[in-house]
Amino acid sequence: QKEVEQDPGPLSVPEGAIVSLNCTYSNSAFQYFMWYRQYSRKGPELLMYTYSSGNKEDGRFTAQVDKSSKYISLFIRDSQPSDSATYLCAHTQGGSEKLVFGKGMKLTVNP
Amino acid sequence: DGGITQSPKYLFRKEGQNVTLSCEQNLNHDAMYWYRQDPGQGLRLIYYSQIVNDFQKGDIAEGYSVSREKKESFPLTVTSAQKNPTAFYLCASVDGGVSSYNEQFFGPGTRLTVL
Repeated sequence: QKEVEQDPGPLSVPEGAIVSLNCTYSNSAFQYFMWYRQYSRKGPELLMYTYSSGNKEDGRFTAQVDKSSKYISLFIRDSQPSDSATYLCAHTQGGSEKLVFGKGMKLTVNP
Repeated sequence: DGGITQSPKYLFRKEGQNVTLSCEQNLNHDAMYWYRQDPGQGLRLIYYSQIVNDFQKGDIAEGYSVSREKKESFPLTVTSAQKNPTAFYLCASVDGGVSSYNEQFFGPGTRLTVL
């Protein structure tokens, strides 16, 4: 079983839709959970991170971690064409900076 | 402005050639990383270095080599032993720290194509 599983999509939605992106992981030692956004031909940039279980909200974005089921989610409300990008989940145990990435989900928001 | 620079942006290599990708950061970060990204594969770790003059192999180190002679620089050499080097290469750095999360900052990437 891979450490991180992420459906690579692609996913296409109309503008204004609510988007749900998900990852599952197998290593229960993971403590930090991140979502990176990567525009085409650019380096990834950190969108959000959470520690342990719970929700974290930042504007139209909500990150959710359920450690009991080893499941993390990113919700995008009122999606915009500018949200069109690849979204990568990543996890780390914390003490080590090594990140484990999912494959990335390519999202297209159509105007 | 602080950040990570990678050069060149595009690189073409003939089969059998070694090429070196540059990564420089002025963030005063301790740790630096090299990733390879292929379509549908996510980011895979090639090498990483947590301090100067020390580095460790990542998950796909075969056919690659690195050096870390200066804190701000972490060049990656793609050798002729790497059989399928065409990919997007990303360099990252992190401030370090012992027990807390530290954000990895990424450079803009180098797209390597083998002709």
